[in-house]
Amino acid sequence: DQQVKQNSPSLSVQEGRISILNCDYTNSMFDYFLWYKKYPAEGPTFLISISSIKDKNEDGRFTVFLNKSAKHLSLHIVPSQPGDSAVYFCAASHFGNEKLTFGTGTRLTIIP
Amino acid sequence: SQTIHQWPATLVQPVGSPLSLECTVEGTSNPNLYWYRQAAGRGLQLLFYSVGIGQISSEVPQNLSASRPQDRQFILSSKKLLLSDSGFYLCAWSPGTATYEQYFGPGTRLTVT
Repeated sequence: DQQVKQNSPSLSVQEGRISILNCDYTNSMFDYFLWYKKYPAEGPTFLISISSIKDKNEDGRFTVFLNKSAKHLSLHIVPSQPGDSAVYFCAASHFGNEKLTFGTGTRLTIIP
Repeated sequence: SQTIHQWPATLVQPVGSPLSLECTVEGTSNPNLYWYRQAAGRGLQLLFYSVGIGQISSEVPQNLSASRPQDRQFILSSKKLLLSDSGFYLCAWSPGTATYEQYFGPGTRLTVT
């Protein structure tokens, strides 16, 4: 049972344009969501997170949007840069849970 | 600041051989510790996690085991490796106190031949 889904395995975006990565979840208990970025042969690095009490959180070029009614979140990167080429994972958890549930990842390629 | 170390970085082992991967965290105390595996083209699968010394929770039944002999040390082991154990193994830590963020180590690439 895949509780966190990233339905697009890959995405290509022109440099300077906006990249939008999507994530859907099924567990209504989830109240905290995170995005991680992963380069090949490296560990994932934490990017940005959002609590369910918010619908938007920004950090520089990165913005995460949460639509609780649709059980959907998205990560916007603008403007996209070549160094953004990586695999992006969304993850979710809920209060009292020490674990994260990860999606399967989306490979983002920024085209120069 | 906190740092997390994993070794070895790469490992090639024959089927049936034992395994020991080590993870240590510096700069924090009583962290939550996690072992994940990323199989080729797949997402991150949680294998084990620990909220304290000697306390291990297993997420996936398999021929792997984990131990936490010290507060900031987490070990992943197997007595006999299978071909299906090949993958990228990641250790992670979190402060464990009202925070969800986990911070990952550099990973170990294991190839079972």
